[in-house]
Amino acid sequence: QSVLTQPPSVSAAPGQTITISCTGSSSNIGADFDVHWYQQLPGTAPKLLIYDNTDRPSGVPDRFSGSKSGTSASLTITGLRAEDEADYYCQCYDDRLTVVFGGGTRLTVL
Amino acid sequence: QVQLQESGPGLVKPSETLSLTCTVSGGSINSGYYYWGWIRQPAGKGLEWIGRVYTSGSTNYNPSFKSRVSISTDSSGNLFSLNLRSVTAADTAVYYCARALTTDYALWGQGTQVTVSS
Repeated sequence: QSVLTQPPSVSAAPGQTITISCTGSSSNIGADFDVHWYQQLPGTAPKLLIYDNTDRPSGVPDRFSGSKSGTSASLTITGLRAEDEADYYCQCYDDRLTVVFGGGTRLTVL
Repeated sequence: QVQLQESGPGLVKPSETLSLTCTVSGGSINSGYYYWGWIRQPAGKGLEWIGRVYTSGSTNYNPSFKSRVSISTDSSGNLFSLNLRSVTAADTAVYYCARALTTDYALWGQGTQVTVSS
């Protein structure tokens, strides 16, 4: 069982908007540690998608956005495309001096 | 640009030690202040953080691995290493090395499959 809780799957049609939640606790997200999001395409290494709750690395489209409030964070993807079909993971630091990941969410573009 | 490449045995026997290295190319492991980490992913499952070593040599580990794990840097070889002792089949996974400036891993290796089996 992961320290950070994500829905196992989400699906939507091209062009639509989806939001993936990431729920933590007072020892990680609620302790004001930054949340990061990764996209993992099949058979590849994870790629940093959002860092420090809301920031996008160079090259990541602005269709991807992040937010954080209290003990939860969210990843929103607007204007869904077929190539967005992937697994998405949230990640945070924990006050036990460890890095924690969510269990991952599989996005299916219908 | 800086790249990471994992290497090591693809097959390890139960109760033995899993040893992997991550070679840093295109830059020095000592330049800047980075966390060099190891993350693994069993087939069909999510990501699991194993631990990290800072440029200074200090380390942090996932408590789930208790005293089985050690991570270290080798400046002369421009690499960092993972040792996981007393492995079982549950340690079978793709192992990734990665680099973080703070806590976000912006740079990843391609991953290496390690199978624990006799």
